[in-house]
Amino acid sequence: AQSVTQLDSQVPVFEEAPVELRCNYSSSVSVYLFWYVQYPNQGLQLLLKYLSGSTLVKGINGFEAEFNKSQTSFHLRKPSVHISDTAEYFCAVSERGSYIPTFGRGTSLIVHP
Amino acid sequence: GAGVSQSPSNKVTEKGKDVELRCDPISGHTALYWYRQSLGQGLEFLIYFQGNSAPDKSGLPSDRFSAERTGGSVSTLTIQRTQQEDSAVYLCASSPPNSGANVLTFGAGSRLTVL
Repeated sequence: AQSVTQLDSQVPVFEEAPVELRCNYSSSVSVYLFWYVQYPNQGLQLLLKYLSGSTLVKGINGFEAEFNKSQTSFHLRKPSVHISDTAEYFCAVSERGSYIPTFGRGTSLIVHP
Repeated sequence: GAGVSQSPSNKVTEKGKDVELRCDPISGHTALYWYRQSLGQGLEFLIYFQGNSAPDKSGLPSDRFSAERTGGSVSTLTIQRTQQEDSAVYLCASSPPNSGANVLTFGAGSRLTVL
């Protein structure tokens, strides 16, 4: 069965600093990987996804993530964050052949001025 | 519609009452999901509908929870005899057909508070 671990529940960072949000998954088969963002009082929206091909995936708002199969990781990065990036970030995994993504517990990114 | 619409956005109820939460997916999306988001618990899968196939109910936490989807479109999640531990945000999502990797579009959620 698939599972996702987001190692940090909260990540505080200053504006314009780089950030990395960590995600590790577990699965016995090939997977699709996703990052979603949830702004306060809103639903989740897709940031980026890895389906196949290049392991470095670029998403919206300057975010990118790298799929590392040997380490079963899909960490999210941004070289310089803004106050507006303050939100909850969720990593999700979906095994090929399954239609039900499993989500991590989320990481709260808090950007300070 | 332009997005996934959920109603009500907020619901406060007394313990023991029944509640219904509604989801209107994006037009043409054949897959529909219900997840529950509790504080600090991430998203918990509840139920999945795909077209006219039998739904995957494997995530429903108890027989007090049920869901239906009429005409392959609107879905209603029903919680009978609500308990305080049912308090959470209930998120609905939909996905287009033949998308391979199912990329979900979420609604804003229905926040349920059981007193």
